[in-house]
Amino acid sequence: EAGVAQSPRYKIIEKRQSVAFWCNPISGHATLYWYQQILGQGPKLLIQFQNNGVVDDSQLPKDRFSAERLKGVDSTLKIQPAKLEDSAVYLCASSLERANYGYTFGSGTRLTVV
Amino acid sequence: GENVEQHPSTLSVQEGDSAVIKCTYSDSASNYFPWYKQELGKGPQLIIDIRSNVGEKKDQRIAVTLNKTAKHFSLHITETQPEDSAVYFCAASNPRNFGNEKLTFGTGTRLTIIP
Repeated sequence: EAGVAQSPRYKIIEKRQSVAFWCNPISGHATLYWYQQILGQGPKLLIQFQNNGVVDDSQLPKDRFSAERLKGVDSTLKIQPAKLEDSAVYLCASSLERANYGYTFGSGTRLTVV
Repeated sequence: GENVEQHPSTLSVQEGDSAVIKCTYSDSASNYFPWYKQELGKGPQLIIDIRSNVGEKKDQRIAVTLNKTAKHFSLHITETQPEDSAVYFCAASNPRNFGNEKLTFGTGTRLTIIP
């Protein structure tokens, strides 16, 4: 089966600019997650979707971050305006239904804010 | 919420020796504990997992043990090889809210295998 697709792989922007990341999960996976991974740290959950509904966005900085999952498939994560501390790898993961069956991660988008 | 601590942060072992990485979790309701391997420039990849009704699980050179009483679990890699060099993450899932399970990750262990 095809894996989780993410694009772009790399992005460099100036602070206060906006950026968007795209994720296409494994076909049939109902649950989609966006994680932020700062260099040297473990992934930290930003938002969790079940189909096209938000299950948990308690850790999403909603003043600058937004995410949507259209038709319960693809998802986009946007940052506007970006700050220096947003520099990180943004990982998308999907699971068949519940986290207890394991995630499949994409390769991530490395964001550098200068 | 769940808190997962992982030790050590870095680990170097001679090729052929064993490596052990340990994690502790805070929420006694957590019942699923996967381990992920992350190579440079790639996303984390699931390598083994264990559920709370099992004390140990093995898959070739990799094993995971779970002590629910002490709330800790460990990854054991035997006969290490250069391709085992990577960052390893433990995680825990809290089933408290059905349909809202998510993984909380440890801070990672950078494992280096010395040829």
